[in-house]
Amino acid sequence: SQTIHQWPATLVQPVGSPLSLECTVEGTSNPNLYWYRQAAGRGLQLLFYSVGIGQISSEVPQNLSASRPQDRQFILSSKKLLLSDSGFYLCAWSAPIGPKNTGELFFGEGSRLTVL
Amino acid sequence: AQSVTQLGSHVSVSEGALVLLRCNYSSSVPPYLFWYVQYPNQGLQLLLKYTTGATLVKGINGFEAEFKKSETSFHLTKPSAHMSDAAEYFCAVIRWNSGNTPLVFGKGTRLSVIA
Repeated sequence: SQTIHQWPATLVQPVGSPLSLECTVEGTSNPNLYWYRQAAGRGLQLLFYSVGIGQISSEVPQNLSASRPQDRQFILSSKKLLLSDSGFYLCAWSAPIGPKNTGELFFGEGSRLTVL
Repeated sequence: AQSVTQLGSHVSVSEGALVLLRCNYSSSVPPYLFWYVQYPNQGLQLLLKYTTGATLVKGINGFEAEFKKSETSFHLTKPSAHMSDAAEYFCAVIRWNSGNTPLVFGKGTRLSVIA
């Protein structure tokens, strides 16, 4: 069966420090990968998605970036964190839509980032 | 472009009462529709989905939803609320045959269950 792992679960960082959140998927190949963010009291905001190694689509311009160095690895980074980067970050994967796949997302457990 | 509207950011029900969470979608082509649940400090978990076929879809934890094309709705219901149902619920839509287009989520509805 497929599993998704996301770490760290909790992170407290000072303003201006770098960030690296990592996500890996097991039990499937060539998944679509996604990073979402939830700010307090707000819904889900899609940040990045990737349909293959090295292919990243950015949905929102900001000081975050994403990379996909391997097929089942997705990394969210920042060189200098802002206070507004605080939130709950969720990684997700899906199989490409096709005759047997309906595109639903499978989420990791999330990473809570607090920027002070 | 497809979109989802969830009516009511917060719904409160008594334990044992009917749960009704509303979701309306906008899509120019047949949609796939989903409901997810999120418990505090956790990721989202798929409750149920509609793709094709039967319009009444049953999910986990006693929830069900009915796809009504004429009303462009996909409301989530449960006959009797339990304390453990307290969570955030998200409706989502994807356009059929849209390739790799990500799901579009509603803003969520927080369900509170009162003892």
